[in-house]
Amino acid sequence: RKEVEQDPGPFNVPEGATVAFNCTYSNSASQSFFWYRQDCRKEPKLLMSVYSSGNEDGRFTAQLNRASQYISLLIRDSKLSDSATYLCVVNLAYNTDKLIFGTGTRLQVFP
Amino acid sequence: DVKVTQSSRYLVKRTGEKVFLECVQDMDHENMFWYRQDPGLGLRLIYFSYDVKMKEKGDIPEGYSVSREKKERFSLILESASTNQTSMYLCASRGGTPGDQPQHFGDGTRLSIL
Repeated sequence: RKEVEQDPGPFNVPEGATVAFNCTYSNSASQSFFWYRQDCRKEPKLLMSVYSSGNEDGRFTAQLNRASQYISLLIRDSKLSDSATYLCVVNLAYNTDKLIFGTGTRLQVFP
Repeated sequence: DVKVTQSSRYLVKRTGEKVFLECVQDMDHENMFWYRQDPGLGLRLIYFSYDVKMKEKGDIPEGYSVSREKKERFSLILESASTNQTSMYLCASRGGTPGDQPQHFGDGTRLSIL
């Protein structure tokens, strides 16, 4: 089993739709979690950190479910500009840089 | 905003050449990283550094070395380039503690070894 797993997609959704991605992780000791966005042939850019209590940034909401070992990203009112690959990143221990990157979920928003 | 700059966006080299990839960050971060990204494999850590002249091996250090002579600059060296090192190379830097602060990436270098 991969340490971090994501559905590769693509998720094809119309503008204005709500879409959600999940990411499962295998190590129950994982401490911190992030969502990154990566456009085609560009570098990953931090979208948001994921906190235990869940957090929201505009149209984006991230949730952590430690019992089931997954994090989720919800995008409301999708825009064409949201089209990208979304990477799930898990830090295995709080005081280290042992980051495990998922291979990403591709989102395509169409008019 | 954190600015991480990689010296080249695209690079083509020949097998056996010594290749230098440069990375500079402007946020006085102590922590810097080199990854490679290949389709279906995600990002994999090659080397990282927590301080000047300090380096630690990541998950796939074979065939690579690094240099950190100044805090803002972290160089990745391919001692004798091989075709299986054709990849996208990403440099990152981080301030603060690992659990709190995310890593910030440079634009990436697409390296092709012929």
